Amino acid sequence: GAVVSQHPSRVICKSGTSVKIECRSLDFQATTMFWYRQFPKQSLMLMATSNEGSKATYEQGVEKDKFLINHASLTLSTLTVTSAHPEDSSFYICSARGDRGEETQYFGPGTRLLVL
Amino acid sequence: AQSVAQPEDQVNVAEGNPLTVKCTYSVSGNPYLFWYVQYPNRGLQFLLKYITGDNLVKGSYGFEAEFNKSQTSFHLKKPSALVSDSALYFCAVRDIFQAAGNKLTFGGGTRVLVKP
Repeated sequence: GAVVSQHPSRVICKSGTSVKIECRSLDFQATTMFWYRQFPKQSLMLMATSNEGSKATYEQGVEKDKFLINHASLTLSTLTVTSAHPEDSSFYICSARGDRGEETQYFGPGTRLLVL
Repeated sequence: AQSVAQPEDQVNVAEGNPLTVKCTYSVSGNPYLFWYVQYPNRGLQFLLKYITGDNLVKGSYGFEAEFNKSQTSFHLKKPSALVSDSALYFCAVRDIFQAAGNKLTFGGGTRVLVKP
């Protein structure tokens, strides 16, 4: 149980285009989902927390207009990187926490974004 | 504020020998503590957690960790390491009394290399 999927696993795009990454909880309902960014050989940096049906809460320094987060259902959250630039190239990982007092966050496999 | 320290960037151990990955934390309230493992180009896999109760927690793949409140530590251990345990290990903490209590704070990660 507690499986989280991400799609796509890898994406290459041109500078200026937008990229959407999906995060799904496959076997549980996730009231809260998290989006992280990980640079090579570094730890995870929390970008934002999203709760189903409400606006995401962004961490300090994260541009909400650039990283659009939508959590439209209890099993799906999306991250859209708008007008991507090479410096947005990174490994993006989502996680989800269940709705039964579950304390554990379960992570997706990550999405490698390369902006040319 | 909550923080996590993993003092070792890398731990080298011979296969069959005991493995220890160190973690210390700082929170203002009571901690929830987690260990995750990350294989190359993958998301994080949950290993174990301490919420309450017995200070010795047993998790996946033969790993265990001991919560030590006086030393504010939560070191990860495995009695006999396998080559397949070679990966990046992250310790994380959540302060249950923090206003923004949803968030996990991660340590910088420790790379484990198990040599045959």
